[in-house]
Amino acid sequence: QKEVEQNSGPLSVPEGAIASLNCTYSDRGSQSFFWYRQYSGKSPELIMSIYSNGDKEDGRFTAQLNKASQYVSLLIRDSQPSDSATYLCAVKMDSSYKLIFGSGTRLLVRP
Amino acid sequence: NAGVTQTPKFRILKIGQSMTLQCTQDMNHNYMYWYRQDPGMGLKLIYYSVGAGITDKGEVPNGYNVSRSTTEDFPLRLELAAPSQTSVYFCASRTSAEETQYFGPGTRLLVL
Repeated sequence: QKEVEQNSGPLSVPEGAIASLNCTYSDRGSQSFFWYRQYSGKSPELIMSIYSNGDKEDGRFTAQLNKASQYVSLLIRDSQPSDSATYLCAVKMDSSYKLIFGSGTRLLVRP
Repeated sequence: NAGVTQTPKFRILKIGQSMTLQCTQDMNHNYMYWYRQDPGMGLKLIYYSVGAGITDKGEVPNGYNVSRSTTEDFPLRLELAAPSQTSVYFCASRTSAEETQYFGPGTRLLVL
């Protein structure tokens, strides 16, 4: 079983819609959760981090965490073509220095 | 601040050749990481370091070596290049207090 799983996509949404990206993880000791955005040919950049159950909002982005279900999601409201990218979910155990990455979900926002 | 810099941007190697991928950060970060990313895949950790003189293996260390003689530099060495090492290599760094990793622009390596 993969440690961090994401649907590879592509997830295609029209401009202005809500894009919902999902991630599940296998290690119940995981404490820190991150969403990175990666444009084609570029390096990953952090867009959201979440550490406790519930929702965390930052502008058009909302991260949702449910540790009991081992599930973390990213919602992008009012999606723009510039949001088209691969979104990587990453998970860290509290005692570890390391991030475990999922394989990413490719998002396409249609004008 | 330049952040995390990597050289070269692109390199073609022949099977059996060796090379060093350079990574430098000017943010005084203690923690540094090397990842590889194969097409359509996520990032796999090769090696990491929590400070000068301290390194440890990640998920996929075979075929690679690292050293950390200074806080700023974390070079990755490939001794006998193999086609399976064709990938994009990213270096990242962070402070001990903050968990955000900052990534360099990457090195694209092709082994033929």
